[in-house]
Amino acid sequence: QVQVVQSGAEVKEPGASVRLSCKTSGYTFTNYYIHWVRQAPGQGLEWVALIVPSNGFTIYAQRFQGRVTLTRDTSTTTVYMQLSSLSSDDTGVYFCAREAGESGEPLKRFDYWGQGALVTVSS
Amino acid sequence: QSALTQPPSASGSLGQSITISCTGTTSDVGGYNYVSWYQFHPGKAPKLIIYEVSRRPSGVPDRFSGSKSGTTASLTVTGLQAEDEADYYCASYAGPNTHYVFGTGSTVSVL
Repeated sequence: QVQVVQSGAEVKEPGASVRLSCKTSGYTFTNYYIHWVRQAPGQGLEWVALIVPSNGFTIYAQRFQGRVTLTRDTSTTTVYMQLSSLSSDDTGVYFCAREAGESGEPLKRFDYWGQGALVTVSS
Repeated sequence: QSALTQPPSASGSLGQSITISCTGTTSDVGGYNYVSWYQFHPGKAPKLIIYEVSRRPSGVPDRFSGSKSGTTASLTVTGLQAEDEADYYCASYAGPNTHYVFGTGSTVSVL
């Protein structure tokens, strides 16, 4: 069965970087895009970025450009998100999610999600 | 890109029905039939409950239904059950530049 398991909570000081992981299993890793979504306290969800595991191609939301980097390790079927220059505004729960696909084509919906990882930015 | 607008909360008694709206623009909800809805229970992985406006994934009860009119999508839950108490978020594909926008979220309470 498909599983998406995220790394644990992190506490960082302003200006630092955080690296979160998203371990997947139960399906062909390279056939499905992985996205990251943020939920800030008391706010809605915000799309952050996506990675195409087959080739490492990435797309970042404009407001995160220059601060976020997605990478993947095909040997461990894990996706990583690094977010740098953290501020208190980056506090929130970060989810990774698999985009549903068919024959390698993305279907514009997120069919499996990780449990989320709380990132707290505080001095 | 602004978030999609949802009412903060909705409530209903057991067995009743509720509808949650999700208002966007012609660049997202109104421009594509790629509206999806997600159920968030605290401490659990979010769950896809509606995709492509009105389709239900396998295993999702038919109490959940979706629709769209213009730039507003809606999620209806009929025959409310206690386990339906959760946060619900809509999402829409928004084209190759913005990619995805999400809703502000709605908390459903079962009275």
